[in-house]
Amino acid sequence: GAVVSQHPSRVICKSGTSVKIECRSLDFQATTMFWYRQFPKKSLMLMATSNEGSKATYEQGVEKDKFLINHASLTLSTLTVTSAHPEDSSFYICSAIEGEPPYEQYFGPGTRLTVT
Amino acid sequence: AQTVTQSQPEMSVQEAETVTLSCTYDTSENNYYLFWYKQPPSRQMILVIRQEAYKQQNATENRFSVNFQKAAKSFSLKISDSQLGDTAMYFCAFMKWGDSWGKLQFGAGTQVVVTP
Repeated sequence: GAVVSQHPSRVICKSGTSVKIECRSLDFQATTMFWYRQFPKKSLMLMATSNEGSKATYEQGVEKDKFLINHASLTLSTLTVTSAHPEDSSFYICSAIEGEPPYEQYFGPGTRLTVT
Repeated sequence: AQTVTQSQPEMSVQEAETVTLSCTYDTSENNYYLFWYKQPPSRQMILVIRQEAYKQQNATENRFSVNFQKAAKSFSLKISDSQLGDTAMYFCAFMKWGDSWGKLQFGAGTQVVVTP
């Protein structure tokens, strides 16, 4: 099956700094990519939908200025957590869809962010 | 808005036995897809099974099968002949048909522990 990678897999940053997480579709061009957040022992919450060349669509309650999404190409989407705080610590997962509706969806392995 | 409810936080089953996970959902949509995803300790999301709402026939995938009751808005997963590798968090997910392709609404998850 298709592969989606995320980089880095783990990152520790200091409070007030920004951190960028990359999501890449390795062997296909993704129609759309999605960003999810998962708290420990909790479910995945959709944060935003990312389409190449256009602004991301954020879910209700997600701060777009805090979580900047850039979708530079059909194979790369980035999530930048700006001015990170300890409460931003979480597991961030991206996914990408390809093909025709209802599409095949592939998940990245996730990125664990710890803000100290 | 859709809601997905998984009422069993944790289920334990012995190897070779069968376990059934429950999932109910609430929607006013007529066309949609339902999924079961598995998240093992590696945190990688793995698609277990997919059901199209317009299909009456229940989906099966090897040892995994669903009982889809559209009128009752119920979508349970049966794992037969459980194996140690089935130990994971299982999430039920809902996807609307149409302009929300790829956007998944997840339930809270059920932790399945398979014991020897």
